[in-house]
Amino acid sequence: GENVEQHPSTLSVQEGDSAVIKCTYSDSASNYFPWYKQELGKRPQLIIDIRSNVGEKKDQRIAVTLNKTAKHFSLHITETQPEDSAVYFCAARWGSQGNLIFGKGTKLSVKP
Amino acid sequence: DVKVTQSSRYLVKRTGEKVFLECVQDMDHENMFWYRQDPGLGLRLIYFSYDVKMKEKGDIPEGYSVSREKKERFSLILESASTNQTSMYLCASSSIVDRQAFFGQGTRLTVV
Repeated sequence: GENVEQHPSTLSVQEGDSAVIKCTYSDSASNYFPWYKQELGKRPQLIIDIRSNVGEKKDQRIAVTLNKTAKHFSLHITETQPEDSAVYFCAARWGSQGNLIFGKGTKLSVKP
Repeated sequence: DVKVTQSSRYLVKRTGEKVFLECVQDMDHENMFWYRQDPGLGLRLIYFSYDVKMKEKGDIPEGYSVSREKKERFSLILESASTNQTSMYLCASSSIVDRQAFFGQGTRLTVV
């Protein structure tokens, strides 16, 4: 079945620095790659997603890149702020009826 | 606003009890999911449903079953609860069109 590997498991950066989280997936039929942010005690919330026909997508300080050949995708956060501190999950899905499989998460800490 | 509502925020059950976790969504989504969240293990898929009465096993279905008699409701059943099923359970739903998954607030289940 589909497998999603996420690295690193923890990431600590200084406020203002950039943060990068990387994920790889195993099923080449995967066609949808969302990223979720989960703050302490809250439900995961979608922050950005990308489909397999697009190589990059940006939304203000957040960007996601996709390399279909290498089967990996990355989340980039620029000018990090303390409120970016949370656990971030990547996921992969194939087809419209496929399972949505998550990575194990990255705990991001942004130090003021 | 999409609403995914789980019936309980906290539950305490005894070993051997039959436990029902209910999830309701109000957006007419075709797909519904049950995940289990444990520290260091991320979000692991238990079961997935892509239509009424249709289900697929996820990565960790052992000890669980599901029911989807109506499109808006997806139930997770622990036939005989065990202490290793103590966890946070998250329900999610998504449409087959935009594929974005929305999560419920989670149910923290403790089996004693």
